[in-house]
Amino acid sequence: AQSVSQHNHHVILSEAASLELGCNYSYGGTVNLFWYVQYPGQHLQLLLKYFSGDPLVKGIKGFEAEFIKSKFSFNLRKPSVQWSDTAEYFCAVSLLGRGNKLVFGAGTILRVKS
Amino acid sequence: GAGVSQSPRYKVAKRGQDVALRCDPISGHVSLFWYQQALGQGPEFLTYFQNEAQLDKSGLPSDRFFAERPEGSVSTLKIQRTQQEDSAVYLCASSSTSGRETQYFGPGTRLLVL
Repeated sequence: AQSVSQHNHHVILSEAASLELGCNYSYGGTVNLFWYVQYPGQHLQLLLKYFSGDPLVKGIKGFEAEFIKSKFSFNLRKPSVQWSDTAEYFCAVSLLGRGNKLVFGAGTILRVKS
Repeated sequence: GAGVSQSPRYKVAKRGQDVALRCDPISGHVSLFWYQQALGQGPEFLTYFQNEAQLDKSGLPSDRFFAERPEGSVSTLKIQRTQQEDSAVYLCASSSTSGRETQYFGPGTRLLVL
């Protein structure tokens, strides 16, 4: 079955630390890749997306993600986190030509200590 | 419109009751999706509409779940004879076309079945 795996369910960092959240998927076809973020009390928002082209994608608020096709990975990174980055982060995949439904990972809860 | 809206935001139902959850997508958005998010999990796809046509209902967990979008805008997700395992957050998302477009999520309806 198609699936998306996020490596860590909870991450705690101090402000200014670097962040990397892992995401792997198990599809063999062409994929569209997304990271969504849910801040406390808010709804899911798109952080960044990859459809094609440059595998290094830059999103909002200083986040970036790198698509590595050979590793079926789309890891999220930020060089220096802020307290306001405290949120839950979801990796999601959709299959090109198979409808537009998103398949989500279980999410990673990030807590940044000030 | 300002964004995707959902109502009610919270719903408590007794086991066996029928419930109806409403989604107002962003004005003009062709595609509409329903997802179910259980506690501690990522959203899981339920069903997808393109205008008024329900093109994919493969994620609906049982025949107690029914969704409609009769005029191609507002959608209703109905759950008949609710069970405790139906307790979850139900998310609606819309996108502007049927192609590779970003899905914009609503705030969700939190359903608790007692």
